[in-house]
Amino acid sequence: EPEVTQTPSHQVTQMGQEVILRCVPISNHLYFYWYRQILGQKVEFLVSFYNNEISEKSEIFDDQFSVERPDGSNFTLKIRSTKLEDSAMYFCASSYGQGRTQYFGPGTRLLVL
Amino acid sequence: AQTVTQSQPEMSVQEAETVTLSCTYDTSESNYYLFWYKQPPSRQMILVIRQEAYKQQNATENRFSVNFQKAAKSFSLKISDSQLGDTAMYFCAFMKHGVNYGGSQGNLIFGKGTKLSVKP
Repeated sequence: EPEVTQTPSHQVTQMGQEVILRCVPISNHLYFYWYRQILGQKVEFLVSFYNNEISEKSEIFDDQFSVERPDGSNFTLKIRSTKLEDSAMYFCASSYGQGRTQYFGPGTRLLVL
Repeated sequence: AQTVTQSQPEMSVQEAETVTLSCTYDTSESNYYLFWYKQPPSRQMILVIRQEAYKQQNATENRFSVNFQKAAKSFSLKISDSQLGDTAMYFCAFMKHGVNYGGSQGNLIFGKGTKLSVKP
């Protein structure tokens, strides 16, 4: 069964460093999402992406964040200058269409020191 | 703005018994989708069940079923014959129905979750 994959599974970085989180969505899916979950809290929407552009972004998704689909398979989330409060689990998800079920990857656990 | 409320932070159930997790939501939309996701200790988000608001029939998936009460804006999850592997956080989530093709209504709004422990 097709699945969303994410790399790395864990990342530790120093405050102020740039990180890139990578995702490979399910191959025939058209909509891509990033969510994050701070430890012990609920999952929060960051950004959605369709047709090579951002469809919607939340208040969390400020200028420090960017997303890209550099080729036909990868979908990346970049955090330019990490802060301590960026420490969280970051989930990528994809869906075939609007209203369709979103399938989540296993997450990247980011720790900013 | 839509909100999702899960009023039970933690629940426990004996193996083989039945448990119901509650979820309420607030929206002015008439078309939407509701989901239950499971997050085991590995922290991966796994879809359990999905319900379209326009369908009156409650969704079922094997041992998992929902009680969808649209007027009451309630969406509870029933787990029958609980198994040890059902131990996890369970998140209720809401998604608006997209109106415009390529539009932005696809993001999920999650509740805070219910931590379910299945005891042997």
